[in-house]
Amino acid sequence: GAGVSQSPSNKVTEKGKDVELRCDPISGHTALYWYRQRLGQGLEFLIYFQGNSAPDKSGLPSDRFSAERTGESVSTLTIQRTQQEDSAVYLCASSLLSGSGNTIYFGEGSWLTVV
Amino acid sequence: AQSVTQLDSQVPVFEEAPVELRCNYSSSVSVYLFWYVQYPNQGLQLLLKYLSGSTLVKSINGFEAEFNKSQTSFHLRKPSVHISDTAEYFCAVIAPRGGSEKLVFGKGTKLTVNP
Repeated sequence: GAGVSQSPSNKVTEKGKDVELRCDPISGHTALYWYRQRLGQGLEFLIYFQGNSAPDKSGLPSDRFSAERTGESVSTLTIQRTQQEDSAVYLCASSLLSGSGNTIYFGEGSWLTVV
Repeated sequence: AQSVTQLDSQVPVFEEAPVELRCNYSSSVSVYLFWYVQYPNQGLQLLLKYLSGSTLVKSINGFEAEFNKSQTSFHLRKPSVHISDTAEYFCAVIAPRGGSEKLVFGKGTKLTVNP
């Protein structure tokens, strides 16, 4: 597609449930990033992929969070046993290559509310 | 590791006034520098970036930023702001070599332009 696409755009879930957030990067982009933006705060790095491998998972807050990428395309961020502090906008981004000067393009985010 | 400091969390200005949004970074290796903008209810968009060459970079809507290596700064300026510039602005760095190859963001500065 023309841009980074994320789904769902909004998700309300009950505490303790699992959620999956999906990201479709721009076609041909080998690098894919996940960030989290809590209300009134900056962007918090979670994980990035180069191809299907994840060289840096250092930002994942706990083992409840995991992400995978297949076919050097779609990525899924999974949050197990959601907690209220997981409520945030989850942003996906992609670029041609990681670590380069290539522009990183962001999706519009998935708004997650845990009640 | 890299870090970014945006000292001003909120900057209110009147229309047609000049504005400067400050950004300082810390890195032991060379970095690329970016400013992203997030308009209300929209996703992040790249405003401008510095990779190499001329230390003064400009956007199409009148913003400019100057890379100052000695002061490790990349402040964003506009000589005359419009109401439509109201948005949150994020400074970010990435280390193309020797770093973690992820975009590291500051906490953001909310610019409010008042009539």
